[in-house]
Parts: sequence; C-alpha cells; structure tokens
Amino acid sequence: SAVISQKPSRDICQRGTSLTIQCQVDSQVTMMFWYRQQPGQSLTLIATANQGSEATYESGFVIDKFPISRPNLTFSTLTVSNMSPEDSSIYLCSVMRTGTTGEKLFFGSGTQLSVL
Amino acid sequence: AQTVTQSQPEMSVQEAETVTLSCTYDTSESDYYLFWYKQPPSRQMILVIRQEAYKQQNATENRFSVNFQKAAKSFSLKISDSQLGDAAMYFCAYSSFSNSGYALNFGKGTSLLVTP
Repeated sequence: SAVISQKPSRDICQRGTSLTIQCQVDSQVTMMFWYRQQPGQSLTLIATANQGSEATYESGFVIDKFPISRPNLTFSTLTVSNMSPEDSSIYLCSVMRTGTTGEKLFFGSGTQLSVL
Repeated sequence: AQTVTQSQPEMSVQEAETVTLSCTYDTSESDYYLFWYKQPPSRQMILVIRQEAYKQQNATENRFSVNFQKAAKSFSLKISDSQLGDAAMYFCAYSSFSNSGYALNFGKGTSLLVTP
C-alpha cells in the first residue's frame, strides 16, 4: 500500500479566492493523479502529474483554473483558482504503485472544499 | 474512451447475507485492470479488490470476490457474510496504460446499505 497525506482535509473559501491542496507520498512514485468528486457524483480525473514535465489535463479542465506542481517524486500540489460555488467538491490525489502483483492505485483522504 | 456502467444506484443486504454488485465496461483493449473501491462517509477511497484482464482466475480477498467475464465485459463484486462496516458507496473502475497512464475511469457508484 501507499501512505498518502493530503492537506487540508477541508476548507471553506470565499468566491474569487484560490486554494492550494498538497499531496505527500511516503515514497517515490512516477505518476500522480488529481480527481474531483462533485456532490453525490463519481470521481472525474482532472489531470495527470509526472515529475519534470507539465501536467496533462483532461477535457474540461485547464491549467489556468487548476495549476498543478510536481517538484519531486513524492509531492504534488493542486490549486483551485478564482473559485466559484461550482468548485465545491472533494478533491483527491492518487498514486500508482507497481508491486509484485502489478499496478495498484491508492488515494489520499481527500479535501472537502466548500465555496461560498 | 472507456466507459464503466454500474446499473444499481442502491442495494440493500442483511447482515451475514451475500450481495452482488454489478459492473459492466466498454473497451477495445485486451490489457487492462479492473478495480472495486469502497468509499465510506469518511470519503476515503479504499481499494477492495483488483483484477488483471489477462488472468482468467477470479480475484478474491477474504469475504470479497469478483466474477470477471471478459467476453461479456462484466465485473461483478460479491460480498459474503456482509457486515455493518461494509455499508458504503462502491465504485467500479477501469484502468489501462493508454487511459492517461493508468488513470481510473469510474462508474457512478452503488450505495450499499447493510441492515441488522
């Protein structure tokens, strides 16, 4: 398994402000993923973050709104910029670990974001 | 794009009984992984079980087992001897390298209620 620390666990923010979410992994991983889970919905991939390269964003997500940093192999941040109430969601980071039985994907505990 | 369908928004099972959650998926690939994740109210995404597509043998993890039918593109989860702690949202997910480097595509989820 993987130990993934995600901060903050929750926050209440004002419209127009930005929030940076941190994801720290207990050991080096190549690929990190950021997901959004809107209220009562499933998880949607925002972007894939590899160390040393620009993040790859999925359709409907843009770098100006969700800038991502990946300064090393154990850490990543996701910023939700110029927030509106529609950004109220759970944001989760995920990492892939390759073990003897193949690839497994593990999640951080999530950040519950409420935008007023 | 690969799609994952969970046709049961809600399921209910009595404690100690067995329940099966359904999942179908659509893909043209031959090499991929399938997962079941559990999300309790704490919002933590917990990996329940994982299946490699190239393996014919169905995966099992204690009380959890899958029925993987590759030709039918079906991946159901069976929970035996259900416990109150099994109550949660269950998500079926698909992963392959071509899918944003092993990112997960999730179904909409099935809410499992366990009654005493």
